[in-house]
Amino acid sequence: ETGVTQTPRHLVMGMTNKKSLKCEQHLGHNAMYWYKQSAKKPLELMFVYSLEERVENNSVPSRFSPECPNSSHLFLHLHTLQPEDSALYLCASSPGTMNTGELFFGEGSRLTVL
Amino acid sequence: AQSVAQPEDQVNVAEGNPLTVKCTYSVSGNPYLFWYVQYPNRGLQFLLKYITGDNLVKGSYGFEAEFNKSQTSFHLKKPSALVSDSALYFCAVLPRGNNRLAFGKGNQVVVIP
Repeated sequence: ETGVTQTPRHLVMGMTNKKSLKCEQHLGHNAMYWYKQSAKKPLELMFVYSLEERVENNSVPSRFSPECPNSSHLFLHLHTLQPEDSALYLCASSPGTMNTGELFFGEGSRLTVL
Repeated sequence: AQSVAQPEDQVNVAEGNPLTVKCTYSVSGNPYLFWYVQYPNRGLQFLLKYITGDNLVKGSYGFEAEFNKSQTSFHLKKPSALVSDSALYFCAVLPRGNNRLAFGKGNQVVVIP
């Protein structure tokens, strides 16, 4: 059983919809991450939170809005997305406040934008 | 800018044969190096890392990786592949003192029975 849980596992939405992806980690970690995975492309780092503060915002369009209410939960709010935003969105966590490279990933939320 | 190259899209190998997945990187300084594996419909799992010291590092599931500083490479190896090793393998680089773990595009490994 993974220590990082993502919901929903699959999401289909229209371009005018508003939806949210949720991530919860049960590992007591201090940092959480959102990555975007598209086929045959490197994983793209989107956001990093350390102790609930955003420490990285990797030039992500404003239609993606992260929220980290506490160190165990991370959300990605989605609004007026484009078809090219269809991808697997991965949440990860790590123990320390600095990234040591050993991340614990959830199973991902597969997003399809129609 | 840091970059990670995994030149092959897919690696096919017969069961029982040696497996090699290639990775080269372009990062200043002496970065930390990692391999992750992704099984179908799963998230990424950490396999192994190189920090310093011995150029050959051993990881989970019988995998090892060899660091070559002059070639800026960190190839993943397994002496005898199993069908269950079929998965997507990602190389990653973390510059020292930096929060950005950069991944390659991944290599699909197919082990043929």
